[in-house]
Amino acid sequence: EAEVAQSPRYKITEKSQAVAFWCDPISGHATLYWYRQILGQGPELLVQFQDESVVDDSQLPKDRFSAERLKGVDSTLKIQPAELGDSAMYLCASSLDPDSGNTIYFGEGSWLTVV
Amino acid sequence: SQQGEEDPQALSIQEGENATMNCSYKTSINNLQWYRQNSGRGLVHLILIRSNEREKHSGRLRVTLDTSKKSSSLLITASRAADTASYFCATDDRGNTGKLIFGQGTTLQVKP
Repeated sequence: EAEVAQSPRYKITEKSQAVAFWCDPISGHATLYWYRQILGQGPELLVQFQDESVVDDSQLPKDRFSAERLKGVDSTLKIQPAELGDSAMYLCASSLDPDSGNTIYFGEGSWLTVV
Repeated sequence: SQQGEEDPQALSIQEGENATMNCSYKTSINNLQWYRQNSGRGLVHLILIRSNEREKHSGRLRVTLDTSKKSSSLLITASRAADTASYFCATDDRGNTGKLIFGQGTTLQVKP
C-alpha cells in the first residue's frame, strides 16, 4: 500500500540552528500538507500545496519557517533559526482531491526536539 | 485554531467493552473525519462522514453525525488492547474545504 514518506524520523537540534524535513507524498497526489503537532494536542496546519502552488500558509511563521514543493511532487519544510518552542512532531500528508472528500493520508511524522 | 473538541479527554476501559468518544465543532461543515494515532506515530484515517449522512459503519466502528447539534460520536465495539491510541475528529474549513481542522483528541486505553 502506498504511503507518505517522511525523513528524518527524529531530529535533535540546538536552538538557533537550521533544520529541514522532507516529505514524499503518495504518487499522483496533487495536494500536500505540512501539519505541526505539539505533544498532547491535535495537529495544526502549517502549509498546504496544490501541485507546486501554496494554497494556505496563513499559520506558517514565515519569519523562520519556509516550505517548498518545486516540482509539485516532494516537499521540504525548513526552520531557521529553530527555537525551543518548535519542539513538536511535523506531519506531512497528501490527498488526491480533498475538496471531493478524498481521504487525506498522513506520514509517520518527524519528531523535532530543540535543545 | 482548533475547531473541534473531543470528550472525554481520556477514557480507560476493559477489553471487550464498548468505547464512545464525542466531538463537537463550531461552524458548518461538508464532512467530518475520524483519525487514530498510536503513540509517537502518524495519523491513520478511520472513517469519513458527509454532512448529509447521519450514521456510518466500518467494521467495529460506528460514527454518527448530528449537524443540528454540531456534534459527532465514534463508537468502537468489542474493544481490543490494540485499540489503545488517541482518536481525533477533524472537520473541513469553510474557507478552504481541503483543510482539516483537528480537535484535541481522546486518549483511549483498553486494558487486557
